[in-house]
Amino acid sequence: GAGVSQSPSNKVTEKGKDVELRCDPISGHTALYWYRQRLGQGLEFLIYFQGNSAPDKSGLPSDRFSAERTGESVSTLTIQRTQQEDSAVYLCASSPPGTGFVGEKLFFGSGTQLSVL
Amino acid sequence: GENVEQHPSTLSVQEGDSAVIKCTYSDSASNYFPWYKQELGKRPQLIIDIRSNVGEKKDQRIAVTLNKTAKHFSLHITETQPEDSAVYFCAASITGTYKYIFGTGTRLKVLA
Repeated sequence: GAGVSQSPSNKVTEKGKDVELRCDPISGHTALYWYRQRLGQGLEFLIYFQGNSAPDKSGLPSDRFSAERTGESVSTLTIQRTQQEDSAVYLCASSPPGTGFVGEKLFFGSGTQLSVL
Repeated sequence: GENVEQHPSTLSVQEGDSAVIKCTYSDSASNYFPWYKQELGKRPQLIIDIRSNVGEKKDQRIAVTLNKTAKHFSLHITETQPEDSAVYFCAASITGTYKYIFGTGTRLKVLA
């Protein structure tokens, strides 16, 4: 594919339900990130995956949030027992392997707009 | 923990004027500083970045400066145009990782 793909683009759910958000990164990108963006707010780091290393989960706001990634492919972000404060846009991004310097351009998906009623 | 502060939160300028957005970071070993532009309802996109081995980088009407001693970096947009209106985010890499911490964003409005 041409870019990072996220699905669904919109998700409306009832409080207490579980949701699963999907991200397809750009092929060959070893790093994958999840960010949360509340309305009018900045980008809040949630979790990132780098190759086969253990993920950095330091940004997950509670144990209701979890994410998985299979190798260097698809990732899913799961939110259990959703709460109204979980309503936000969930953005996924991927980046290629570093070339000596740590730090490479992030390619963002279009996000999933999650609304918890 | 690591932190990036961004100012101002909103900025209005007349078309043709310059705009400056400033960020400070806490991790003195951060070595990569990208800027992202997010138009309304769209995904963030990289517009310019700078690495810690240089002090300034330009790309047409936009430039970024880095002061490692003071741990701050700035985005400069000259000859602003209405299509520059967007939210701009700065970010800093976290040493030894591929993790990025973003600033809270600046909503830039260019008035025609």
